[in-house]
Amino acid sequence: QSVLTQPPSVSAAPGQRVTVSCSGSSSNIGNDYVSWYQQLPGTAPKLLIYDNNKRPSGIPDRFSGSKSGTSATLGITGLQTGDEADYYCGTWDSSLSGYVFGTGTKVTVL
Amino acid sequence: QVQLVESGGGVVQPGTSLRLSCTASGFTFSGYAMHWVRQTPGKGLEWVAVISHDGSTKYYADCVKGRFTASRDNSMNTLYLQMNSPRAEDTAVYYCARHRGRTINIPYFDYWGQGTLVTVSS
Repeated sequence: QSVLTQPPSVSAAPGQRVTVSCSGSSSNIGNDYVSWYQQLPGTAPKLLIYDNNKRPSGIPDRFSGSKSGTSATLGITGLQTGDEADYYCGTWDSSLSGYVFGTGTKVTVL
Repeated sequence: QVQLVESGGGVVQPGTSLRLSCTASGFTFSGYAMHWVRQTPGKGLEWVAVISHDGSTKYYADCVKGRFTASRDNSMNTLYLQMNSPRAEDTAVYYCARHRGRTINIPYFDYWGQGTLVTVSS
């Protein structure tokens, strides 16, 4: 089971804003950078956010990331139907000496 | 463009062995650490292993430590995952992913393969 906890699902209407939380501990989020991944149905994960709040080239600024203490948050503004996907946070855990992913959150556009 | 293509998946009996491959193209493979990540159908992502750019450093998830071995052949631009004594709970889609980040233990994954399905069943 994952050491990073995310809500199973969040939803909002098109054009609205959603946030996805990721809760960890001092050995993972509190000690390292967080990244976020989007997984559309039937596809491989795709990098959305790295180093807590940086976006790779090609990722729209509707996606944002932040971190405070042992928690991180992914924000999506101007929600679109194409944003319906599973979203995962991840970071290195120094106690486990391994990378850990969050439990995953399904974003639904109403 | 960066491409990662996994192969070698299939049905394997518990207690036997299987080797997965990940062939890379579009970048200097020998300059990057690489990871294996798996996903049980319908479930979440689980990190499996990382191997440094030159193969000298490796880390494994506790659930595969001592059974799985990551290796690489930089001359062939290929990453491997040797799966020994697989168990039913190892059934998953296995992805290879390219490492980015300051050090091997500050990673994120900027490119992923399409995955290969491993089913462990008698």
